[in-house]
Amino acid sequence: DAKTTQPTSMDCAEGRAANLPCNHSTISGNEYVYWYRQIHSQGPQYIIHGLKNNETNEMASLIITEDRKSSTLILPHATLRDTAVYYCIVRVGDNAGNMLTFGGGTRLMVKP
Amino acid sequence: GAGVSQSPRYKVAKRGQDVALRCDPISGHVSLFWYQQALGQGPEFLTYFQNEAQLDKSGLPSDRFFAERPEGSVSTLKIQRTQQEDSAVYLCASSLVQEGETQYFGPGTRLLVL
Repeated sequence: DAKTTQPTSMDCAEGRAANLPCNHSTISGNEYVYWYRQIHSQGPQYIIHGLKNNETNEMASLIITEDRKSSTLILPHATLRDTAVYYCIVRVGDNAGNMLTFGGGTRLMVKP
Repeated sequence: GAGVSQSPRYKVAKRGQDVALRCDPISGHVSLFWYQQALGQGPEFLTYFQNEAQLDKSGLPSDRFFAERPEGSVSTLKIQRTQQEDSAVYLCASSLVQEGETQYFGPGTRLLVL
C-alpha cells in the first residue's frame, strides 16, 4: 500500500472548519483513500473514504486532487469532541483481506 | 445497531502468564482483523480471518501469539508466556466482504504485563 504523509499536529478553533491534508504521491489506480480518527482511549472510528471523486457524509468531506496524489479531510464545523488523532490511509479496495496500514496521523486539537 | 465488542477492556498479567482476549464482531461481518497498538503509535496489523479461515497471520510478532475464530463469528487472540513488550492495546475490527469495504473497530483491550 502507498505511504501517506500527514502533519504531526494541527489546531483549530471551535466552530471553524478543520482542513486536514494528506499526501499520497505514490498512490496506485486501485487504491482508495480512507480516513479514520481515534479519540483518546477508544478504537479507531471510520470517517469517510473515496477513490477518485470527492465524497461527503454526515461527518466530513473528502477532497481528492485530480491527480490523486493528495487529499484533504474537511470537518466543516469543528467541535471540542473532534479532538483526536486523524489517520489518512491508502488501501487497495478490491481485496477484502487487505489490512489498514496506519501511519502516525495528525493530532487535531480543537480549542474553545 | 451493536458494534464490535471486546473483552476484557483491561487486563493486567504477570510476566509469563497466558492471556485470552475476546472479540465479538458485528453480526454478519465475514472479515475480522486483529491489530496491536503500542503507546503513542498507530495500530499495526496482526492477523486476518475470513469466516473461520485465518488467511493472513503475517503480523503476529512471535509464535506466542495465536488467534482463532472456530465458528466464523467470535474470535480469540491468545498470548502465551506474556512478556513486558506485549503491553499494548489490542484492537479488533470487522467488515463485510465487498470492494472498498469499511473496517469497524471495537474499543480495544488494554493489556499491561508486569
